[in-house]
Amino acid sequence: NAGVMQNPRHLVRRRGQEARLRCSPMKGHSHVYWYRQLPEEGLKFMVYLQKENIIDESGMPKERFSAEFPKEGPSILRIQQVVRGDSAAYFCASSPPNPVGDSGNTIYFGEGSWLTVV
Amino acid sequence: ELKVEQNPLFLSMQEGKNYTIYCNYSTTSDRLYWYRQDPGKSLESLFVLLSNGAVKQEGRLMASLDTKARLSTLHITAAVHDLSATYFCAVNIINTGTASKLTFGTGTRLQVTL
Repeated sequence: NAGVMQNPRHLVRRRGQEARLRCSPMKGHSHVYWYRQLPEEGLKFMVYLQKENIIDESGMPKERFSAEFPKEGPSILRIQQVVRGDSAAYFCASSPPNPVGDSGNTIYFGEGSWLTVV
Repeated sequence: ELKVEQNPLFLSMQEGKNYTIYCNYSTTSDRLYWYRQDPGKSLESLFVLLSNGAVKQEGRLMASLDTKARLSTLHITAAVHDLSATYFCAVNIINTGTASKLTFGTGTRLQVTL
């Protein structure tokens, strides 16, 4: 059972370009979360999605950031017109729909996508 | 707004000695997680604590939860170099149903020296 898969692992973009980060949750998981980690900081919640629905986007910046989780394919976090301050590690996590016990309540994180804006 | 505080932020440990990291949170929660992160790597799940008084142990690490005090501790027994990493606690915001929207602490960077 593959874990949470993210790609690309590393991405370099010039200011003003677009960044697209992809995440495939673990098999059987229907909840996807995106978190951002700035250097030397903890992770900050960005958005929570289920298939074709954004459930909670309270942590998303109001402009330039968007996320989707289509019926088919991975979840995508899109950052338009990137700026230097967007440089960070972006982690995707997933969890099952009906958590039971320890394993069901465990949130599994992907390897992360490191975005560098130059 | 839920706040999660860890202390200490940095801990230099001597091999063989015991240490404790503390995680305080500000509002009611139904789940608390501990994660380990090595530099440039993802988060490795260590423990999930689901109820008051829960205690979990894995190797040299033991985590406990006191929901009344809103406090979790991560105890390290006889530290070894392999434990050098940053440790995060994360608290689930209650009333989100089956979802897990986590608020992370600032992290505690552990460094084990000989």
